[in-house]
Amino acid sequence: ILNVEQSPQSLHVQEGDSTNFTCSFPSSNFYALHWYRWETAKSPEALFVMTLNGDEKKKGRISATLNTKEGYSYLYIKGSQPEDSATYLCASLDDYKLSFGAGTTVTVRA
Amino acid sequence: KAGVTQTPRYLIKTRGQQVTLSCSPISGHRSVSWYQQTPGQGLQFLFEYFSETQRNKGNFPGRFSGRQFSNSRSEMNVSTLELGDSALYLCASSSDMKTQYFGPGTRLLVL
Repeated sequence: ILNVEQSPQSLHVQEGDSTNFTCSFPSSNFYALHWYRWETAKSPEALFVMTLNGDEKKKGRISATLNTKEGYSYLYIKGSQPEDSATYLCASLDDYKLSFGAGTTVTVRA
Repeated sequence: KAGVTQTPRYLIKTRGQQVTLSCSPISGHRSVSWYQQTPGQGLQFLFEYFSETQRNKGNFPGRFSGRQFSNSRSEMNVSTLELGDSALYLCASSSDMKTQYFGPGTRLLVL
């Protein structure tokens, strides 16, 4: 059973500020690390799928980095906007199974 | 392309009954995964199917079962429902475990 952990559990950000949060996962038998954004009353939406150590991905103001040797990934939000308010989930892939962390809930205050 | 669809969207059952949930993946996707989300819990993996074969199963009792048809549509069944089975059930389809595309979910309430 993979133990994927995310921190912090929640955070509040002022509009325009940047923020980041962490996903840690077991580094052995690593295949891929997924990030999803889950807005209230919607379905989780894919942000990134990362596989290579040192990988960096970017989508608009959101970016992510991956360190497979030490088992962590960071998600960054630059210049937070109210529409960035959501729960951000990471998940580690192993043997056709995605194990999700509990998520980091981001609230952006106008 | 049409997205992932799940039926029904809402369901109310009583303890001891059984329920079947359906998931239609995005056209061309052969992998379907099922997840359970309960209050205070993250997404818990139930099982994954690819070309009608279950490739992995999460830590759920045998009351939870699933199957996939030749057209990649998938169903999950929960027998002898318990109060704790009340949850949001999400399915997701992908091209062999790459980016997962989630359906809207089925919200099950067990009374």
